[in-house]
Amino acid sequence: DAGVIQSPRHEVTEMGQEVTLRCKPISGHNSLFWYRQTMMRGLELLIYFNNNVPIDDSGMPEDRFSAKMPNASFSTLKIQPSEPRDSAVYFCASSPTGDLADTQYFGPGTRLTVL
Amino acid sequence: DQQVKQNSPSLSVQEGRISILNCDYTNSMFDYFLWYKKYPAEGPTFLISISSIKDKNEDGRFTVFLNKSAKHLSLHIVPSQPGDSAVYFCAPTHNQGGSEKLVFGKGTKLTVNP
Repeated sequence: DAGVIQSPRHEVTEMGQEVTLRCKPISGHNSLFWYRQTMMRGLELLIYFNNNVPIDDSGMPEDRFSAKMPNASFSTLKIQPSEPRDSAVYFCASSPTGDLADTQYFGPGTRLTVL
Repeated sequence: DQQVKQNSPSLSVQEGRISILNCDYTNSMFDYFLWYKKYPAEGPTFLISISSIKDKNEDGRFTVFLNKSAKHLSLHIVPSQPGDSAVYFCAPTHNQGGSEKLVFGKGTKLTVNP
């Protein structure tokens, strides 16, 4: 298996623009997680899905952020409008089960820069 | 509110010596503790874990110790190798309000010098 696939790997955009980050989880995994990593706050869980259903989105910073998982093999994290403070590395991870004690497999991340 | 603290942002050790990475937490509800390792430009990868019913778990060169009363855990790497140079994240989990949470520390950057 190719592992968790994220695209793009790097994104540079201007403030106010819409940004869409994409993730393909490992085939057969039931859970998908979106994280954000910044110097100030470290690695934060934004939202996670189990069987394509959002379970907990309490980590989503504000309404400008939205995430969808239309099917078991694809998820998007959208920021609209983007702001400079959204600049961070965004990771997607998948896990075989919905148990958070289960190993999560991370993608390589998308480095977002909002100018 | 920082529930998980890794107070040493960085650690440097010589190859062959022991590396000790520490993690303190405040939430007594945490019942499972994971360590992830991250290389530059890659996502974190799972390293080792421990349940709150244990105080030690060993996997090869890696051992995690848990002191529940002190709300402290540590990761020991012995002997340390240059390939161990990475950022290590402590990540406890617990069940909160019916949903589980995984909380990551800010990480400790380990450098193992040849």
